[in-house]
Amino acid sequence: KNEVEQSPQNLTAQEGEFITINCSYSVGISALHWLQQHPGGGIVSLFMLSSGKKKHGRLIATINIQEKHSSLHITASHPRDSAVYICAVSSNFGNEKLTFGTGTRLTIIP
Amino acid sequence: NAGVMQNPRHLVRRRGQEARLRCSPMKGHSHVYWYRQLPEEGLKFMVYLQKENIIDESGMPKERFSAEFPKEGPSILRIQQVVRGDSAAYFCASSPLRQETQYFGPGTRLLVL
Repeated sequence: KNEVEQSPQNLTAQEGEFITINCSYSVGISALHWLQQHPGGGIVSLFMLSSGKKKHGRLIATINIQEKHSSLHITASHPRDSAVYICAVSSNFGNEKLTFGTGTRLTIIP
Repeated sequence: NAGVMQNPRHLVRRRGQEARLRCSPMKGHSHVYWYRQLPEEGLKFMVYLQKENIIDESGMPKERFSAEFPKEGPSILRIQQVVRGDSAAYFCASSPLRQETQYFGPGTRLLVL
């Protein structure tokens, strides 16, 4: 079993829909990261969080430490949101290396 | 402030040659991470360096792979005697301190013929 599990693996939605991507992890963490990988391959860090909720524009990330679960939400989705969204965790053993989920491929249809 | 820079962006090598991948972290960042993404697979940690020190190389193959981050200049990931299985995208990320957001470079796509 992977230390970081994401669901769904693939998600196709219509423009304007509310999107939720889930991430569960099985190890102790110091922080959880949400990343976006564009079709061209570049990786952008969206959020780093260790508790509660963060919001940036149409993106919202939440984390429940007790349940070891995080969600990434996209409101009013747009075709330019089409990308692979990757959940990653950094452990709580003083080493900030990231352990990644396998990613969720999101496609937003106009 | 320029982002994380990696070069070359694309590198083609024949089996048995050496590949040298360079990463210049963002200004003021002293922590560098290398990750590898094999075709159709997820990202995997390789090595974590702080200026002149290797902090964790647990994800790096014991043979043929080495990394350094000298006091001056970029971080270098070196792969000796490349094999076809080394073909992948290699990403570098940097952060100013521990427990900070990591900023990713554009990656180097290595193709071994």
